[in-house]
Amino acid sequence: DAGITQSPRHKVTETGTPVTLRCHQTENHRYMYWYRQDPGHGLRLIHYSYGVKDTDKGEVSDGYSVSRSKTEDFLLTLESATSSQTSVYFCAISADRVSEQFFGPGTRLTVL
Amino acid sequence: AQSVTQLGSHVSVSEGALVLLRCNYSSSVPPYLFWYVQYPNQGLQLLLKYTSAATLVKGINGFEAEFKKSETSFHLTKPSAHMSDAAEYFCAVTWNSGYSTLTFGKGTMLLVSP
Repeated sequence: DAGITQSPRHKVTETGTPVTLRCHQTENHRYMYWYRQDPGHGLRLIHYSYGVKDTDKGEVSDGYSVSRSKTEDFLLTLESATSSQTSVYFCAISADRVSEQFFGPGTRLTVL
Repeated sequence: AQSVTQLGSHVSVSEGALVLLRCNYSSSVPPYLFWYVQYPNQGLQLLLKYTSAATLVKGINGFEAEFKKSETSFHLTKPSAHMSDAAEYFCAVTWNSGYSTLTFGKGTMLLVSP
């Protein structure tokens, strides 16, 4: 299995609070991604990174920000969590833009 | 815009029966195609990928998929279903152009009955 960890694995928070999710990889892959998974929607891309300090928006980026200060870490921040951001969040990595992506175990986030 | 469609949110088969999960994509350039499987409360695992080397692609767990350009399809098959195949399956597509990213279908839940 690709070395990808996500923390925390579960989190319950209240509306309006900031939340940061962490993705850590040991594969030295250039690309890292954050997705959210919701019933009936499949996986939707939030943000991705193509190198240290290089990031771009995905399909559903509103309300989210990301940072990548090291190759191995990619952080997803919800500045002010809302109930619509209750979801399962997956991190993924890939060597390049068209190679297969490897997924982390996911973080289940509940915003009350 | 690129897109991928999975026909059927749920597919039910009996153990030992043929599994056929459908995936169609929209594209004007050669695509890179993937099938992933997700077991309950887990991340996605790559089943197989098409990257233009061969139109019939073999993956893990006895699955295979055939790329048909004329039909813009990449259907996933397995000759004989096993109870352990019950999971959700996702088709995904990308292109080697511009700022293309991986686009996922909405998924098909495979149910296997004894």
